[in-house]
Amino acid sequence: NAGVTQTPKFQVLKTGQSMTLQCAQDMNHEYMSWYRQDPGMGLRLIHYSVGAGITDQGEVPNGYNVSRSTTEDFPLRLLSAAPSQTSVYFCASSYSFGQPEAFFGQGTRLTVV
Amino acid sequence: GQQLNQSPQSMFIQEGEDVSMNCTSSSIFNTWLWYKQDPGEGPVLLIALYKAGELTSNGRLTAQFGITRKDSFLNISASIPSDVGIYFCAGQTRGSQGNLIFGKGTKLSVKP
Repeated sequence: NAGVTQTPKFQVLKTGQSMTLQCAQDMNHEYMSWYRQDPGMGLRLIHYSVGAGITDQGEVPNGYNVSRSTTEDFPLRLLSAAPSQTSVYFCASSYSFGQPEAFFGQGTRLTVV
Repeated sequence: GQQLNQSPQSMFIQEGEDVSMNCTSSSIFNTWLWYKQDPGEGPVLLIALYKAGELTSNGRLTAQFGITRKDSFLNISASIPSDVGIYFCAGQTRGSQGNLIFGKGTKLSVKP
């Protein structure tokens, strides 16, 4: 089992560019989520999904889109990157709705210049 | 919105010392979680607490879910160098998977 795999690990974008952060899990987990972590802050929830075809907004969803076409994959899209989106992004998963996120990816460090 | 106050922000440990940190909130949570994050890695779940008053251990780690459901603490006994890292508490409300609220973390470092 690979667990939760995020790609890329590092990325630099110019303001206005778009990109997709990839997240995949091989544990057949129903629940997946995206967080951002800023210096001196805890993690903040961006979007989450309780199963294929179902997504919902978290605490800080503006500027981000998600989709969940398969159980395994949960990509996060930045349509027009802004410097305020410079952060470390973590994808997480758990077996089902109601279970705490037990598995996190290694993170994607994104810098928007 | 809901906020968690985690303290201390940072602390230095000497090998063999016991360590204590806590989280408090003005809101009630139904689940309290403790995570550890090493540099360049994602958080790792250490302990999950589901009932007020619950005391749970995981090796040298012990955590408790406060009776008021508004606080939790984590103790590490006989610390070792690999305990260094950032520890986060997180609270979860019932019926809302998306509402996992994280504290700002306690950074554990080794005393020079």
